Amino acid sequence: DQQVKQNSPSLSVQEGRISILNCDYTNSMFDYFLWYKKYPAEGPTFLISISSIKDKNEDGRFTVFLNKSAKHLSLHIVPSQPGDSAVYFCAANGRGSTLGRLYFGRGTQLTVWP
Amino acid sequence: EPEVTQTPSHQVTQMGQEVILRCVPISNHLYFYWYRQILGQKVEFLVSFYNNEISEKSEIFDDQFSVERPDGSNFTLKIRSTKLEDSAMYFCASILDIASYEQYFGPGTRLTVT
Repeated sequence: DQQVKQNSPSLSVQEGRISILNCDYTNSMFDYFLWYKKYPAEGPTFLISISSIKDKNEDGRFTVFLNKSAKHLSLHIVPSQPGDSAVYFCAANGRGSTLGRLYFGRGTQLTVWP
Repeated sequence: EPEVTQTPSHQVTQMGQEVILRCVPISNHLYFYWYRQILGQKVEFLVSFYNNEISEKSEIFDDQFSVERPDGSNFTLKIRSTKLEDSAMYFCASILDIASYEQYFGPGTRLTVT
């Protein structure tokens, strides 16, 4: 079951530069996408989301872009900070699924170095 | 800020034993979920729960698993006869209502089956 894919297991970025995390999906029923951040020994923390009726959503340093035709979304973090170092999960939800079951990717470990 | 809590943080049990994992969702939330993450793998949906009933369950959630909301605040996951492959992080999540896509996760319980 690989409906949500994060093909890069890790990403290393210098502090102050842009981090771009990518996510692909296969299920056309998905209509809402979320990014979660996870630190070791903690649960996933909601970061930012986007509805399929939009192609961009911005919240401070975080911007998510959605390309529906390519079934691709990306999370941009500008500028990156050492505290952003964590595992980032892409997740998707579709109205075809009752009560908001989330489908997760495998995650990307982001390391921001000084 | 309200948060989802889970106990215990770490549970070690022998194969074949029963375990109960406990969660206290955010107080005014109405929809509840269990997910699990086997080490190195993605977060996987187990079950969703609303109005004292299971709404949806995955193929992982077989007859060995059960959920309950015994007292209006706790939400529990029971595994009747644990197997080695049940070793994982188990996350509880909740949302306010079905219009809210953002699920709030607890810190997780690490279950180790020996």
